[in-house]
Amino acid sequence: DADVTQTPRNRITKTGKRIMLECSQTKGHDRMYWYRQDPGLGLRLIYYSFDVKDINKGEISDGYSVSRQAQAKFSLSLESAIPNQTALYFCATSVGAGETQYFGPGTRLLVL
Amino acid sequence: AQSVAQPEDQVNVAEGNPLTVKCTYSVSGNPYLFWYVQYPNRGLQFLLKYITGDNLVKGSYGFEAEFNKSQTSFHLKKPSALVSDSALYFCAVRVQYNFNKFYFGSGTKLNVKP
Repeated sequence: DADVTQTPRNRITKTGKRIMLECSQTKGHDRMYWYRQDPGLGLRLIYYSFDVKDINKGEISDGYSVSRQAQAKFSLSLESAIPNQTALYFCATSVGAGETQYFGPGTRLLVL
Repeated sequence: AQSVAQPEDQVNVAEGNPLTVKCTYSVSGNPYLFWYVQYPNRGLQFLLKYITGDNLVKGSYGFEAEFNKSQTSFHLKKPSALVSDSALYFCAVRVQYNFNKFYFGSGTKLNVKP
């Protein structure tokens, strides 16, 4: 079984809709991250969390919110989706600062 | 500003030949450098990292990378490419004083032809 899972794997939604992307991990890591990947831009950090009570904005947090429901779960919400949020979204975990990150398989989101 | 550059969008190499995927970085402080690989429809997979010590780092699947502080580079290499190495490769850096941030390059698509 995969250590970092994301649901759904693919999602099509309409402009203005609220959607949630979920991430679960069985690695026991405290740190969790949400990235988006756009062609030619690499990965950009949206939000990160060092533990359940610690949530931090990344470089492109506008239009997104997150919830760390438990050590193992970190959800990303788009309150009112817009077309330029069409991207591939990745969740990642790490055991500590400077450590290797482990990525989920990604969620491909299309906003019409 | 911290940044990572992968100057080549695509690298083409014949199977059996050596390959190099280039990465340069610009950071304040000591960098922690990483290479990740992404296969189609998959998440990123860790290949190798440089934290400190020997400038030549060996990683998974026969890959290695050399840290060059004077040239601020961390090029990924493999002596003999395989068709199965074809994938998207990302260089990433974390800065010692700011572990919160993890900067990724734009990615290089490696095509290994039989």
